[in-house]
Amino acid sequence: NAGVMQNPRHLVRRRGQEARLRCSPMKGHSHVYWYRQLPEEGLKFMVYLQKENIIDESGMPKERFSAEFPKEGPSILRIQQVVRGDSAAYFCASSRQGGSGTDTQYFGPGTRLTVL
Amino acid sequence: QKEVEQDPGPLSVPEGAIVSLNCTYSNSAFQYFMWYRQYSRKGPELLMYTYSSGNKEDGRFTAQVDKSSKYISLFIRDSQPSDSATYLCAMSFSAGYGGATNKLIFGTGTLLAVQP
Repeated sequence: NAGVMQNPRHLVRRRGQEARLRCSPMKGHSHVYWYRQLPEEGLKFMVYLQKENIIDESGMPKERFSAEFPKEGPSILRIQQVVRGDSAAYFCASSRQGGSGTDTQYFGPGTRLTVL
Repeated sequence: QKEVEQDPGPLSVPEGAIVSLNCTYSNSAFQYFMWYRQYSRKGPELLMYTYSSGNKEDGRFTAQVDKSSKYISLFIRDSQPSDSATYLCAMSFSAGYGGATNKLIFGTGTLLAVQP
């Protein structure tokens, strides 16, 4: 009964490199959410995806960040040309349904990104 | 002003104490209210989920929502050292609010330490 899977759990990148974070939702879930947790801050919503569609990207930085959830395979959060300020814990959550407040979100263990 | 305010603590209590955790919010369109527990370097774990105003009880945990005051609470009875964690409140919007999706708005979290 696997929960939300994220990998890698820890990722170290140098400034200017690319970071790819992967998320596999719980079985039977087709909605994926990405959140970022900076030190001393709460979780901040980034993007909400269904299979092959971005539903809400209102929390995504305008540059360098992108996300996808292909028909097959995990959801990917991609950060290009990373900077030190991107160092954070990135959490993925999944839900069975979407819509406003209609379904609870279950979180993965997170990927901790460190930018040197 | 943040949409969701939460006292960051830390809050230290003796084992067996009743713990009260609180959040206030500014947007009356929030309709769904959640409490998550997050152990150090782990993903958030859903504890309680309530819709609109009222109380909900689950074992040692009671969640209260007062929409008129824009105030939510989580009470933990007979607190245990294993309850030591960061507690995050989260909220989402009602359907139809400005094209709302299921994204969660989090407080910054309250760090709780239960001393044996």
